[in-house]
Order: sequence, then structure tokens, then C-alpha cells
Amino acid sequence: AAGVIQSPRHLIKEKRETATLKCYPIPRHDTVYWYQQGPGQDPQFLISFYEKMQSDKGSIPDRFSAQQFSDYHSELNMSSLELGDSALYFCASSLGLHGGNTIYFGEGSWLTVV
Amino acid sequence: DAKTTQPNSMESNEEEPVHLPCNHSTISGTDYIHWYRQLPSQGPEYVIHGLTSNVNNRMASLAIAEDRKSSTLILHRATLRDAAVYYCILRMVYNQGGKLIFGQGTELSVKP
Repeated sequence: AAGVIQSPRHLIKEKRETATLKCYPIPRHDTVYWYQQGPGQDPQFLISFYEKMQSDKGSIPDRFSAQQFSDYHSELNMSSLELGDSALYFCASSLGLHGGNTIYFGEGSWLTVV
Repeated sequence: DAKTTQPNSMESNEEEPVHLPCNHSTISGTDYIHWYRQLPSQGPEYVIHGLTSNVNNRMASLAIAEDRKSSTLILHRATLRDAAVYYCILRMVYNQGGKLIFGQGTELSVKP
């Protein structure tokens, strides 16, 4: 079965540069979530989208922005990168927001800021 | 927000059952109990979820207390591949965008 696809899998950027991560949800899933996981930490919720509209916002820095497109894929844009942005970024998708639905995660995108 | 409490770590022997506890005393009537696990450098993997009744799937069983203030994830025969961090998460129905809030999970180690 098709899973959540994230690209790129690995990314190295310099400080103050910009990075874009892409997420392709499971077919027919209309909800996308973004998480950030620093070394030795638990995943932290950043932002989510339902039917191309932002549905919730977590601890996402102002330097980051995201959107969900008409084909339901999503992109996370990160500008003015800082060393502390180095982390594993997960995208997840689900069918709707109902608590009884399952959320499926991608394998993540490794961002290293040097 | 309703929170969960889990032991920091647990150990198990291979081929033996494992019972991973989770307390959620402030759970509301519409909160679903979800369990995910995460291996190092991999995305969280869905294990099981339930609302009121016990649930079984090919990976595990979920036993939910009658008052719903606690639950237990049961791995019937632990394998080395089950070594991971297990997260017990309450997912609200339609509130807060339906997101999962990861707290401190239980790191399960499996000894051969």
C-alpha cells in the first residue's frame, strides 16, 4: 500500500539559507501534519492542514511557513535557517480530523544546518 | 489538554508477553487512545487505538480500563524488532485539529 512520501530524505543547508520539504500524503487523505524531532527529543507538532486550509498550529517558528496544495501535497518552507533547526522532520497524513482515524507517518526528512 | 503518564523504560525477554501501561486520568469521553511506536531515526508507526472497548490487531492488543483512566498495550510475544519507544497518546475528536501530541513514551528493550 502507498505510504506517506517525503522528499528530500536528506538535506544539508548553511545558516541563513532556505529549505523546502515536500510531503505527499497517502492517496485520498485530505489532512497533513508536520512534526519536528530534534536529537533525543520527542516529535513536536508544527502545523496541520485539512482540505487545503490550516487546521492547527503548534510550535512553528515565524521563519517557517507551510501550505497544502490542490492535490493535497504539502510543503514546509524554512527560511533564515539556524543551527538549531537541524532535526528530523516528519510529515503525516490522515483521512479527516476525526480522533478515531489513523494518522500515518512518513520516514522523515533529515535537515542538517551547518 | 488531557495527558498521559508512562514509565520511562521497560525490559522484556524475547518470546515473552509485554504489558505496557499508560495512565490518562483526565481523559474525556470523546478522547481516543492511540499507541504509536518509534524506532531510532524512523517515523512513528501506528500500533493500535481504541475508545472504550478492548481492541486486537495483528500487532498488539489494547486493554482499556472500564473507567478509561488507564490502558495497557499488550505485545503477545516480544521480538527483537519490537524494541522501540512506545507512545500512548490521547487524540481528541475534532478539537485541536486532530493532531497527536507526543509526550514521554516508554523505551522498551527486548533481551534475547
